Amino acid sequence: GAVVSQHPSRVICKSGTSVKIECRSLDFQATTMFWYRQFPKQSLMLMATSNEGSKATYEQGVEKDKFLINHASLTLSTLTVTSAHPEDSSFYICSARIAAVREQYFGPGTRLTVT
Amino acid sequence: QKEVEQDPGPLSVPEGAIVSLNCTYSNSAFQYFMWYRQYSRKGPELLMYTYSSGNKEDGRFTAQVDKSSKYISLFIRDSQPSDSATYLCAMSTGNQFYFGTGTSLTVIP
Repeated sequence: GAVVSQHPSRVICKSGTSVKIECRSLDFQATTMFWYRQFPKQSLMLMATSNEGSKATYEQGVEKDKFLINHASLTLSTLTVTSAHPEDSSFYICSARIAAVREQYFGPGTRLTVT
Repeated sequence: QKEVEQDPGPLSVPEGAIVSLNCTYSNSAFQYFMWYRQYSRKGPELLMYTYSSGNKEDGRFTAQVDKSSKYISLFIRDSQPSDSATYLCAMSTGNQFYFGTGTSLTVIP
């Protein structure tokens, strides 16, 4: 149980375009989903927390107009990187949390490369 | 001072060795403690989860929490090459999560 999927697993896009990443909880309802960014050999950097049906809470320094998060249902959250630039190239990982428990379950990650 | 401190390693051990991974923390409000394993270019996988001081065992893995010392450990017995990964500790107050920087482990056959 507690499986989280992400799509796509890998994406290459041109500078200036937008990319959408989907995060789904497959066998549970996630009241809270988290979006992380991870650079090579570095730890997870929390970007934002999203609760179903409400606006995401962004961490300090994360541009909410650039990283659009939508948590439309209890099983789906999306992260859209708008007007992507090469410095946005990174590994993006989502996680989901069930209301009654405390641990987070992570997706497999999406590697974004902006050329 | 960081909320969670974790030695990044890298740590290299021979197959069959006992591995000890550790994290310290400063916030006494942390109640929930987790260990994640992350293989290269993959998302973290939850290994162990506990909310009390003491030991919790699952197969070759033992998680230890000492709230009085603000110190948690993960022990891996009979380490295998497949255990080679980065191990992240994580802690939560119930609402906010904090992750360690991860310890890179290599188990040499």
